[in-house]
Amino acid sequence: GQNIDQPTEMTATEGAIVQINCTYQTSGFNGLFWYQQHAGEAPTFLSYNVLDGLEEKGRFSSFLSRSKGYSYLLLKELQMKDSASYLCAVMDSNYQLIWGAGTKLIIKP
Amino acid sequence: IAGITQAPTSQILAAGRRMTLRCTQDMRHNAMYWYRQDLGLGLRLIHYSNTAGTTGKGEVPDGYSVSRANTDDFPLTLASAVPSQTSVYFCASSDDLNNEQFFGPGTRLTVL
Repeated sequence: GQNIDQPTEMTATEGAIVQINCTYQTSGFNGLFWYQQHAGEAPTFLSYNVLDGLEEKGRFSSFLSRSKGYSYLLLKELQMKDSASYLCAVMDSNYQLIWGAGTKLIIKP
Repeated sequence: IAGITQAPTSQILAAGRRMTLRCTQDMRHNAMYWYRQDLGLGLRLIHYSNTAGTTGKGEVPDGYSVSRANTDDFPLTLASAVPSQTSVYFCASSDDLNNEQFFGPGTRLTVL
């Protein structure tokens, strides 16, 4: 079966760095996406990785290792507005997104 | 319209009733999707459409139907609602199959 695993909840301090991990087992691989979802709102796109390595975009970076079925999202200089759920999703061989349950990130002052 | 819209925002429905959730996008995206999101679970794909005139089944299609008569609209119909269909429903679109998906604001549906 297809499976995406990520921690249910994480807590971090304002100004700090946090790494959210995602491991996956899917039928085929056509890229990995990270989305941010604030409570009661729609998911919004953060990053896309299809090749191994690190993609940096401002305070957010995403890493992919296809051989290990592993990705992480790194958030630097945390701000209170970063409190949200972070969703990991893998595009399978049918170009359908398989979604993890999301990691709720709580930022404390 | 800017982006992707959904209607209604929320709805309480009696079991057995028929309901259509509306989704419209103005980005001329080819692909559109319907997901449901339940607490503790990832988004699950109900139905999708790669282009106008075509539709396909996702992971959880039973009890739902869709149509794609044109590029902009992708309604989702519950023929006879059941309580297990209580969920938040998101419509999404993308200009190509392996590109990022843009989501509508969601419809919160409660079936009693």
